Amino acid sequence: AQSVAQPEDQVNVAEGNPLTVKCTYSVSGNPYLFWYVQYPNRGLQFLLKYITGDNLVKGSYGFEAEFNKSQTSFHLKKPSALVSDSALYFCAVRDYNTDKLIFGTGTRLQVFP
Amino acid sequence: DTEVTQTPKHLVMGMTNKKSLKCEQHMGHRAMYWYKQKAKKPPELMFVYSYEKLSINESVPSRFSPECPNSSLLNLHLHALQPEDSALYLCASSQVRGGVYGYTFGSGTRLTVV
Repeated sequence: AQSVAQPEDQVNVAEGNPLTVKCTYSVSGNPYLFWYVQYPNRGLQFLLKYITGDNLVKGSYGFEAEFNKSQTSFHLKKPSALVSDSALYFCAVRDYNTDKLIFGTGTRLQVFP
Repeated sequence: DTEVTQTPKHLVMGMTNKKSLKCEQHMGHRAMYWYKQKAKKPPELMFVYSYEKLSINESVPSRFSPECPNSSLLNLHLHALQPEDSALYLCASSQVRGGVYGYTFGSGTRLTVV
């Protein structure tokens, strides 16, 4: 079965510092991986996806993620965090058979001024 | 237009009411999805429509009834809901099924069942 794991419930970082939100995956076959961000009482905003190609994926709002097949990871990164980046971040993998997105449990990112 | 629009944004309904949630997109996407998100939990898939036909029903109770009247519109009809059905209901669309082109989510309808 396909799954993703987000090992950290919360990540705290100071504004201006680099941030990393971790995600590991378990799939059979080639993974389709996604990152979404959710602000309070809002829907999901797409950040980036990995389908195939370059292992370094660049997305919206300055975020990027590195696909690492040997470590089965897809960590989300940003070189310089903003207070406005504070939100809930979900990693997701597409289930091949049902076309559903299987989400991780989410990581709350808190960026302090 | 690159958005998925959901209405209403908030809905409070009694357990004997009938109500509907609406989702609309004008991106020409042919796959549409309903997800349910409970508080402090990740979204979970309910239904998948592909070319206006129901493809996947994730064993959702019959008190939830989806409908896709045309390629731009997806409804979720609600009847005799329970308080535990209170959640954020998210609609999503994709160019076609499969995820290659990604998924666009709406802002959701926050449903409270009293």
